[in-house]
Amino acid sequence: NAGVMQNPRHLVRRRGQEARLRCSPMKGHSHVYWYRQLPEEGLKFMVYLQKENIIDESGMPKERFSAEFPKEGPSILRIQQVVRGDSAAYFCASSPPTSGYQETQYFGPGTRLLVL
Amino acid sequence: KNEVEQSPQNLTAQEGEFITINCSYSVGISALHWLQQHPGGGIVSLFMLSSGKKKHGRLIATINIQEKHSSLHITASHPRDSAVYICACWTNTGNQFYFGTGTSLTVIP
Repeated sequence: NAGVMQNPRHLVRRRGQEARLRCSPMKGHSHVYWYRQLPEEGLKFMVYLQKENIIDESGMPKERFSAEFPKEGPSILRIQQVVRGDSAAYFCASSPPTSGYQETQYFGPGTRLLVL
Repeated sequence: KNEVEQSPQNLTAQEGEFITINCSYSVGISALHWLQQHPGGGIVSLFMLSSGKKKHGRLIATINIQEKHSSLHITASHPRDSAVYICACWTNTGNQFYFGTGTSLTVIP
């Protein structure tokens, strides 16, 4: 059973470009979480999704950021018009289809985004 | 003040020592997680607690709901335990997720 997959592992973008980060949860998991870790800072929750639904997006910046988890395919975190402050490690985690907050989450290896 | 506070921030231990990392939180929670972040950046979930105590190998995690405090213990520490240990709280109101700033552990051979 493969773990949580994230790609790309490293992404370089110039200011103003779009960044698309992908997360494939573990097999059988229907809950996905996205977290951001800014340089020299701790993890911050961004968004919690189930298949085709956003459950909690209280940690998402109001502009430029969006997330989806379609019925088929990976979850996508999309950052439009990136700025240097978006440079960070973005981690995805998944959990089984029960009570998401109270289940052990399995983390992906992260995507390191660098905005030039 | 952060909703989740960890102590110590940095910890250096000799191999074989017993290690304790503390986490205090100020919000009502539905679950508390201990995470381990390796020097390469990868994150592993060690424990999910809502009450009592859990043990995996040399790792023990406890939580006291009344005192809003959790501890992570490592027995017979080893250099491969060197990592950042992060406490994360899932609140029971508003679906908020809060993380501690982490404890950086270095175990010296």
